[in-house]
Amino acid sequence: GQQLNQSPQSMFIQEGEDVSMNCTSSSIFNTWLWYKQDPGEGPVLLIALYKAGELTSNGRLTAQFGITRKDSFLNISASIPSDVGIYFCAGPYLIQGAQKLVFGQGTRLTINP
Amino acid sequence: NAGVTQTPKFRVLKTGQSMTLLCAQDMNHEYMYWYRQDPGMGLRLIHYSVGEGTTAKGEVPDGYNVSRLKKQNFLLGLESAAPSQTSVYFCASTPSWVTDTQYFGPGTRLTVL
Repeated sequence: GQQLNQSPQSMFIQEGEDVSMNCTSSSIFNTWLWYKQDPGEGPVLLIALYKAGELTSNGRLTAQFGITRKDSFLNISASIPSDVGIYFCAGPYLIQGAQKLVFGQGTRLTINP
Repeated sequence: NAGVTQTPKFRVLKTGQSMTLLCAQDMNHEYMYWYRQDPGMGLRLIHYSVGEGTTAKGEVPDGYNVSRLKKQNFLLGLESAAPSQTSVYFCASTPSWVTDTQYFGPGTRLTVL
């Protein structure tokens, strides 16, 4: 079935550092989504990418849709304490007429003040 | 507008007990989903519903049943809980199959002893 692999699985950084994480798949996706999960909460959509090569920003976050359509990258610049959480990539796919999401395993971000 | 709500937030069960998790959304969304989240495994789809009165199996449906008698509610049942069902359960909804964004509830943390 569909599978997304995220790396790294966890990151420990100092406040103010930049962060990079990626997501790869053996299958082509036409959309890439990046979600963030704060501790004790459900995931919230950060960025959606719809076109190969697309680069989209949301504040200090920048995400790119890989040109092969099999990968995506998320960068966070000048990290702050509220960036702590788990970041998931996700890709939608259709089965039996219903759209579903497959999620990566997540990248857990920890920030030392 | 509360979005997606889940009841209860926490629950501890003994092996063999049954329980029902309730998900409610006030956004008039057609699609609703139940996921489980386990460490290092991202979110995995248990069951989903494409509309009132319809349900379908996801990636990991064994040991769970669902019902969608009303459009705004999606119930997840465990008939005979097992320790392997210890997890955090998330409900999500989306307006239609063409919309990629899923809106998540805050989660239910279930422990089965």
